Amino acid sequence: QQPVQSPQAVILREGEDAVINCSSSKALYSVHWYRQKHGEAPVFLMILLKGGEQKGHEKISASFNEKKQQSSLYLTASQLSYSGTYFCGTEIVGYGGSQGNLIFGKGTKLSVKP
Amino acid sequence: EAQVTQNPRYLITVTGKKLTVTCSQNMNHEYMSWYRQDPGLGLRQIYYSMNVEVTDKGDVPEGYKVSRKEKRNFPLILESPSPNQTSLYFCASSTQPGLISYEQYFGPGTRLTVT
Repeated sequence: QQPVQSPQAVILREGEDAVINCSSSKALYSVHWYRQKHGEAPVFLMILLKGGEQKGHEKISASFNEKKQQSSLYLTASQLSYSGTYFCGTEIVGYGGSQGNLIFGKGTKLSVKP
Repeated sequence: EAQVTQNPRYLITVTGKKLTVTCSQNMNHEYMSWYRQDPGLGLRQIYYSMNVEVTDKGDVPEGYKVSRKEKRNFPLILESPSPNQTSLYFCASSTQPGLISYEQYFGPGTRLTVT
């Protein structure tokens, strides 16, 4: 039931762009994105609901294709501080709306080099 | 300050010795959850709770118990820990699922080693 993330890892130079993808085999109610730095807890970046509503940090952008059950996180003009592991979390459609719990993928490790 | 606290932060124990990891949040959140994190496997959900006295299994519940007697607390109990439960554990809390505010707040993590 875990969503599938790709790529597993990516290395960038400062200023380069990256796209991280997340796909599910289930119909999705929402997709979340979190970043975890080494030795720390995951931190919320963005939530995208079916129907188009979304909330997140100003410098982060993402898309959610409900029909394809996929989401993508766009990291543009990367900075050293973007380094970390990115997780997508999926909330599955259930009876009457959301099934309720949030299931995370295995993560994408992003390294930004000077 | 809004936060999720976990105790202990580090624990080394022996096989079979019962232990409890506490989790508490001060944001009046209905939803709470436990995850374990292992290299290459991401965050796997152990148990979650939609509200007081309502708990449900996640993807990897075997060997764990939880209870939700109060809204703010959600302890994780390992009745008879085994070495394959050595992991990094995170507690998280949030408002109700299905809302735009369904943002997970994570605790700092508990690193458990079972020998």
